[in-house]
Amino acid sequence: EVQLVESGGGLVQPGGSLRLSCATSGFTFSSYAIHWVRQAPGKGLEYVSAISTNGGSTYYANSVKGRFTVSRDNSKNTLSLQMDGLRGEDMAVYYCARVRSGSFFGPVDYWGQGTLVTVSS
Amino acid sequence: EIVLTQSPGTLSLSPGDRAALSCRASQGVGSTYLAWYQQKPGQAPRLLIYGASSRATGIPDRFSGSGSGTDFTLTISRLEPEDFAVYYCQQYGTSLTFGGGTKVEIK
Repeated sequence: EVQLVESGGGLVQPGGSLRLSCATSGFTFSSYAIHWVRQAPGKGLEYVSAISTNGGSTYYANSVKGRFTVSRDNSKNTLSLQMDGLRGEDMAVYYCARVRSGSFFGPVDYWGQGTLVTVSS
Repeated sequence: EIVLTQSPGTLSLSPGDRAALSCRASQGVGSTYLAWYQQKPGQAPRLLIYGASSRATGIPDRFSGSGSGTDFTLTISRLEPEDFAVYYCQQYGTSLTFGGGTKVEIK
């Protein structure tokens, strides 16, 4: 069974940092690109970041470019999202999600349950 | 950046009705680069359609997708009680963007 499990969310002050993790199982992790998608309370879906199968290519939404860094460890089947300089508008549920095919940009067919990031003083 | 506009914002229908949801792109999207997702409260989204018209694994055939270029449609032929949810379109031809969503609610 394909599983993605996010962790690391919590309360952080504006300007602070947080590192999210995504632990995966049930598929060949190194064969799939992975995306981070977030959803602010009561709002729609927003792309945050993407990383290719070997980590050589990354993508960031303009809203997080220069503040967030995505990485992966194919030996541990895990993904990370380092978030620095957090702002109120970054408050959201963060999902990691597997791209359906081996492509970098593509539809995502499996999602984690999400982890909530709260930015508040 | 390609902007996706979904309409209507809310669709009020009854079980058994046909639903047609629209997704319009600000510029052309390759016909194979459009997906649809369903999201229920408290849950992660679920992939319904990819490549504009291909159903994802396990998706009932009452869900169908069509369109190309800048205009795409998700059709639910006969609404079941479990279909009342929020639906998002997504393009992945030029970077990645989601539409704002259409809520399908019980009339």
